[in-house]
Amino acid sequence: DVKVTQSSRYLVKRTGEKVFLECVQDMDHENMFWYRQDPGLGLRLIYFSYDVKMKEKGDIPEGYSVSREKKERFSLILESASTNQTSMYLCASSLWVGQGNNQPQHFGDGTRLSIL
Amino acid sequence: GDSVTQMEGPVTLSEEAFLTINCTYTATGYPSLFWYVQYPGEGLQLLLKATKADDKGSNKGFEATYRKETTSFHLEKGSVQVSDSAVYFCALSGTGNQFYFGTGTSLTVIP
Repeated sequence: DVKVTQSSRYLVKRTGEKVFLECVQDMDHENMFWYRQDPGLGLRLIYFSYDVKMKEKGDIPEGYSVSREKKERFSLILESASTNQTSMYLCASSLWVGQGNNQPQHFGDGTRLSIL
Repeated sequence: GDSVTQMEGPVTLSEEAFLTINCTYTATGYPSLFWYVQYPGEGLQLLLKATKADDKGSNKGFEATYRKETTSFHLEKGSVQVSDSAVYFCALSGTGNQFYFGTGTSLTVIP
């Protein structure tokens, strides 16, 4: 079974802090994704990566950055945390099989981040 | 662009009732379609998928059929249990590797 592990289930930080959310997958997947989940808004894509050192902006990248130095690890960085970044953050990974990919995304358990 | 629309909740059913959660999609090309389930405090788990028209995905008593003519992928279960209480997300995978998720439908099953 695919295992996607997020480093923290709950995290509390202060406004202006630099925050790191870590995600590791154990199935050698090429693709990794970061979403945030808010009530009534569903999942919104922040950033994704198709390969090591590659990154692409999703729908809401403002205020975030990412790092993918190793294939199995994808980090989300909040450069200067703000209260409107309080949310549930979900990491996912999937296998690349070419265009028209029918592979599912596999999710971690999420990190509930509160910015005070 | 690609998108998914699913019925709004919340949905409350009695145990053993029939469940339908509607999902329609807009996509160019030939997307793959998925249903995910999210239990309280957890991430999303893949429930079932279908990769081409007329395919039926099934798992744990849940079913959904990929209908190209109506661009739909409705989730059904004949007899729900209390343990099915969760949030259900419809999703599609279009060109590239991005997924497009619906906003989720919360289901509560009461004994």
